[in-house]
Amino acid sequence: QQQVKQSPQSLIVQKGGISIINCAYENTAFDYFPWYQQFPGKGPALLIAIRPDVSEKKEGRFTISFNKSAKQFSLHIMDSQPGDSATYFCAARSLQGAQKLVFGQGTRLTINP
Amino acid sequence: GAVVSQHPSWVICKSGTSVKIECRSLDFQATTMFWYRQFPKQSLMLMATSNEGSKATYEQGVEKDKFLINHASLTLSTLTVTSAHPEDSSFYICSAAGTPAYEQFFGPGTRLTVL
Repeated sequence: QQQVKQSPQSLIVQKGGISIINCAYENTAFDYFPWYQQFPGKGPALLIAIRPDVSEKKEGRFTISFNKSAKQFSLHIMDSQPGDSATYFCAARSLQGAQKLVFGQGTRLTINP
Repeated sequence: GAVVSQHPSWVICKSGTSVKIECRSLDFQATTMFWYRQFPKQSLMLMATSNEGSKATYEQGVEKDKFLINHASLTLSTLTVTSAHPEDSSFYICSAAGTPAYEQFFGPGTRLTVL
């Protein structure tokens, strides 16, 4: 019940296209859903986050769509650029869980020029 | 966002020795710090959670006597890998959260290689 399932494992998108990564969860106590971007040999960096009281959040080219009833959320990267090539992790946190983040398995995104 | 540093960024040690990794929050007070381990092409695995001035809480399966965590101040936490073995080779990442802990800010990671 603590798991967050992320798909796909890897994704190749052409420059200028839309990259879409999906996550699903079971624990209804989760109340904070961040996405992290990680480049090789670096720590993850927060990209964008959403709370379950909104269905969508947009920051620049990055959008989170959240479906509370389906317990799913997704990251959309518009106008994908080669510099977006990285590994992306979704995560979820429950206020009941000592602020611990539960991470998805990660998606390796490659943007072809 | 807030800045978290780790030192060293990489370390190579011989089997049986101990290695200490420092995690510092540079511009905020971190009431809670987290230590993760990440193997190649895998996700982050939480090892332990530490609150300033109290004992760390370890995740199931993590040996607390092998991975010693100290959170002595609001800006510093250390992870000591005792009697390291080659299977301990990994990428160790810390994160820090202030109050309220809505966000965790991650450090750049430490690459540990045990020969």
